[in-house]
Amino acid sequence: AQSVTQLDSQVPVFEEAPVELRCNYSSSVSVYLFWYVQYPNQGLQLLLKYLSGSTLVKGINGFEAEFNKSQTSFHLRKPSVHISDTAEYFCAVINSGGSYIPTFGRGTSLIVHP
Amino acid sequence: SQTIHQWPATLVQPVGSPLSLECTVEGTSNPNLYWYRQAAGRGLQLLFYSVGIGQISSEVPQNLSASRPQDRQFILSSKKLLLSDSGFYLCAWSDGTGTYNEQFFGPGTRLTVL
Repeated sequence: AQSVTQLDSQVPVFEEAPVELRCNYSSSVSVYLFWYVQYPNQGLQLLLKYLSGSTLVKGINGFEAEFNKSQTSFHLRKPSVHISDTAEYFCAVINSGGSYIPTFGRGTSLIVHP
Repeated sequence: SQTIHQWPATLVQPVGSPLSLECTVEGTSNPNLYWYRQAAGRGLQLLFYSVGIGQISSEVPQNLSASRPQDRQFILSSKKLLLSDSGFYLCAWSDGTGTYNEQFFGPGTRLTVL
């Protein structure tokens, strides 16, 4: 079985500061990893995904994430955040060769202050 | 390109009344379809998923049901709503030919049961 832990339920940060949102997963097999963003009262949209290859993945809106197999982590980073990045961020994992249904973390609320 | 529609966007219903939420996908064939619920301040809860017409899998036993009468139509229903059914309902689809593809989410329906 797979599981996802997002260690921070809320991350406050000032505009133009860097940010890291943490995600750890548990799985006995290889995984595919995703980060989604949800703006208030909207559906989720994909920020980036890791399927294979380079462990550093670049996504939309200047976000990137690094897959670390030894630490079973997939942390999301942005070097300089904007007010518009205020949203809920979800990490998700799918076991390769298993069920296609993702397991989502509980989400991290990123709050960017002016 | 593919699009996913959900309606209504918001709904206020009394306890004990019936429910019907509809989701349709355009621009793809034989998608996997999903219904999620998001309670206030909580993560995503998978309610139902479907790999084809008439094929429904339930993840959580409750007073909700789902149906897939057409390839790209997914309906969430209830005969009698409970207060605990309040939440934000999200429909999503993924490519039915792959095992690791990301999910694409609709805009959601905000349901308030009074």
